[in-house]
Amino acid sequence: DQQVKQNSPSLSVQEGRISILNCDYTNSMFDYFLWYKKYPAEGPTFLISISSIKDKNEDGRFTVFLNKSAKHLSLHIVPSQPGDSAVYFCAARGSADGLTFGKGTHLIIQP
Amino acid sequence: GAGVSQTPSNKVTEKGKYVELRCDPISGHTALYWYRQSLGQGPEFLIYFQGTGAADDSGLPNDRFFAVRPEGSVSTLKIQRTERGDSAVYLCASSFRQGENNEQFFGPGTRLTVL
Repeated sequence: DQQVKQNSPSLSVQEGRISILNCDYTNSMFDYFLWYKKYPAEGPTFLISISSIKDKNEDGRFTVFLNKSAKHLSLHIVPSQPGDSAVYFCAARGSADGLTFGKGTHLIIQP
Repeated sequence: GAGVSQTPSNKVTEKGKYVELRCDPISGHTALYWYRQSLGQGPEFLIYFQGTGAADDSGLPNDRFFAVRPEGSVSTLKIQRTERGDSAVYLCASSFRQGENNEQFFGPGTRLTVL
């Protein structure tokens, strides 16, 4: 029973364009959401987060949108750069402190 | 470096053996987490420490898995009677336990292979 779902295993985007990564969740107790980026043979690196009381958070090229009624969040990267090629994980925190992760989306930025 | 470190980076063992995986959190971080990532999956929560005590061990799959953090800093994940299904990357993370921001900083992981 996956509580955090990333339905696209991979996404290919041209350099300079917008990358949109999607995430859905089922647990209404989740109150904090995070995006992590992972390169091969490295641990996940924190990218951006959003509290459930907000619907948008922006940090440079990265923006996260939260739609609580739809239990959906998305990560927008614009403009996409070659160094953005990595696996992106959506994660959520509920009443427990451990994070619940999705399976990840492999983003490939093409020149 | 000041990040989370994990040793060893790779561990190969035989079925039935005992293994210990070590995590050094970021200095000053009171919270420490262990996760396990199997191939093609996202990290899966195992256990969370606040200081020396295990505040939440609900993710440990069975009693073969145990973790300690005796002085509130370094933690060791211990796996007894390893099975092939235990093969995965074991990730450790740490965070400040302040406010609502629960940003967790991850180490590079230990890749465990059980033959």
